[in-house]
Amino acid sequence: DIQMTQSPSTLSASVGDRVTITCRASQSISGWLAWYQQKPGEAPNLLIYKASSLESGVPSRFSGSGSGTEFTLTISSMQPDDFATYYCQQYSSYPNTFGQGTKLEIK
Amino acid sequence: EVQLVESGGGLVQPGRSLRLSCAVSGFNFGDYAMSWVRQAPGKGLEWVGLIRSQPYGGTTEYAASVKGRFSFSRDDSKSIAFLQMNSLKTEDTAVYYCSRGLYSSSSVGRYWGQGTLVTVSS
Repeated sequence: DIQMTQSPSTLSASVGDRVTITCRASQSISGWLAWYQQKPGEAPNLLIYKASSLESGVPSRFSGSGSGTEFTLTISSMQPDDFATYYCQQYSSYPNTFGQGTKLEIK
Repeated sequence: EVQLVESGGGLVQPGRSLRLSCAVSGFNFGDYAMSWVRQAPGKGLEWVGLIRSQPYGGTTEYAASVKGRFSFSRDDSKSIAFLQMNSLKTEDTAVYYCSRGLYSSSSVGRYWGQGTLVTVSS
């Protein structure tokens, strides 16, 4: 199975900060990577697919990049609504796998 | 409006069985694969598996942790996906989500249900 490793596990940030989360795959997944945001008590919300394609309705401050084994999710200017947990998911092969999550906290 | 509603969760003893349902509306259910993802209390997301649509053979994929114990099925006439869970273990305790993908065979969750909690405990 492909292992997905996110870093950091927790990140403290302030409103207006630029934030970057990294997701590494244990083997190449080409660009078959998605990013989700999840708030407590809610289902995940798709942000990015195919590494860099922005899901409809998602603010443009979210962007994704990378290919192969290393990927990043960037929030260009943190907003109060962005404090949440973020997960990457590889869908290059089955079983799909998620990263362990990155919790964005208010500094 | 696309809606997915899970049901069937609850408290069950180890070794017993439970069947979850995911009723959908707002899209042509028969055209899409349906995925299942779970989340143990206070933990991250875990991909459970998916069932493809009939045009793709209705075949299934499972995570190693549930293979042989869990099975997926679907009733396209009623727009419902099912997750049959057998030989349940305490580590299966989680909120179970169903999701619909980006496109017909996709496992990327564009739409999600609200989740249903399964608690496995004696």
